[in-house]
Amino acid sequence: QKEVEQDPGPLSVPEGAIVSLNCTYSNSAFQYFMWYRQYSRKGPELLMYTYSSGNKEDGRFTAQVDKSSKYISLFIRDSQPSDSATYLCAMSANTGGFKTIFGAGTRLFVKA
Amino acid sequence: DGGITQSPKYLFRKEGQNVTLSCEQNLNHDAMYWYRQDPGQGLRLIYYSQIVNDFQKGDIAEGYSVSREKKESFPLTVTSAQKNPTAFYLCASKVTGAGNEQFFGPGTRLTVL
Repeated sequence: QKEVEQDPGPLSVPEGAIVSLNCTYSNSAFQYFMWYRQYSRKGPELLMYTYSSGNKEDGRFTAQVDKSSKYISLFIRDSQPSDSATYLCAMSANTGGFKTIFGAGTRLFVKA
Repeated sequence: DGGITQSPKYLFRKEGQNVTLSCEQNLNHDAMYWYRQDPGQGLRLIYYSQIVNDFQKGDIAEGYSVSREKKESFPLTVTSAQKNPTAFYLCASKVTGAGNEQFFGPGTRLTVL
């Protein structure tokens, strides 16, 4: 079993839809949770960063962490064609904090 | 502007040749990382360095080598011992310490002919 599981998609939605992207994990020591956006043939860029459980909102993006269920989500409201990209979840623990574990990424297509 | 640069963007190599991928950062980060990305797979850690003149193997270090002689630079050499080197290579850096997020370079696409 992988430490981090992420549905690879692809996920195709119409413009304006609410998108939900999810990851599950097995290591209860993970405390730091990140979402990266990666456009084709580019490096990932940090989108959201949360510590421990709870919600964090930034514009059209909301990150949720449920540590009891070992489940994290990224919601995109009013999705735009420019949101079409691969979204990677990532997480790390307090101990051995130098190592970050990445999900395989979910490919998202937003149709105009 | 602060950031991470990788060069070249595209690299072609014949079988049996060693090639070196460049990674430079001016973010004053102590920690640097090399990842490999293949279609449908997550980022896999090749090597990482938390401080100058020190580095550790990641999960898939076989066939690769690195050096960290300067804080700003962390070059990766793909040797002829790497059996399947065609991939997208990403360099990242971060402030040392638990939880600090990594920042990525634009990547190098290596193709073995």
